[in-house]
Amino acid sequence: DTEVTQTPKHLVMGMTNKKSLKCEQHMGHRAMYWYKQKAKKPPELMFVYSYEKLSINESVPSRFSPECPNSSLLNLHLHALQPEDSALYLCASSQGQVLSPLHFGNGTRLTVT
Amino acid sequence: QKEVEQNSGPLSVPEGAIASLNCTYSDRVSQSFFWYRQYSGKSPELIMSIYSNGDKEDGRFTAQLNKASQYVSLLIRDSQPSDSATYLCAVNIRGGSYIPTFGRGTSLIVHP
Repeated sequence: DTEVTQTPKHLVMGMTNKKSLKCEQHMGHRAMYWYKQKAKKPPELMFVYSYEKLSINESVPSRFSPECPNSSLLNLHLHALQPEDSALYLCASSQGQVLSPLHFGNGTRLTVT
Repeated sequence: QKEVEQNSGPLSVPEGAIASLNCTYSDRVSQSFFWYRQYSGKSPELIMSIYSNGDKEDGRFTAQLNKASQYVSLLIRDSQPSDSATYLCAVNIRGGSYIPTFGRGTSLIVHP
């Protein structure tokens, strides 16, 4: 069982909808990440939070809005998405040190219609 | 040159054979190297991490690191059909960064 929990597992939304993806970890990790992964491609970094502050935004369109309410929670708010945004969205956490591996959640499979 | 390079494969090996997966990276000051396994439609799962030159063994898996050649590999002994997956190499490049850069992944197929 993964120690990083993502909800929902699947999400279908229209281009005018607003939805949120949620991620929770209880490993005391200081860094949390959102990745986007398309089929047969590696994970693509979107955002990184370190100590609850946004430290990296990889030029992600504003229709994706991250939020870190506390050290255990990470949200990704979605609004006015496009069909090409359909992908597997992965949350991960780590100790935030050079030697620290990422721990991934099970992901949310997002389909934009 | 890409920062972390892997052959996309597929690499096909018979059951019981040794599968050898390779990864090269561009930054000489990289300190941390990881192998993740990803089954189709699932999230990546950490299987090995290595930080020093040489070999590190864990069960049927051996990670090998050669910093002089900027090369890291993963050997899977006694390959099983359940090992069929994509293997992602990740390297913490940009000297001191805690954020890994992923290679494109190598698809491994173990056939009975």
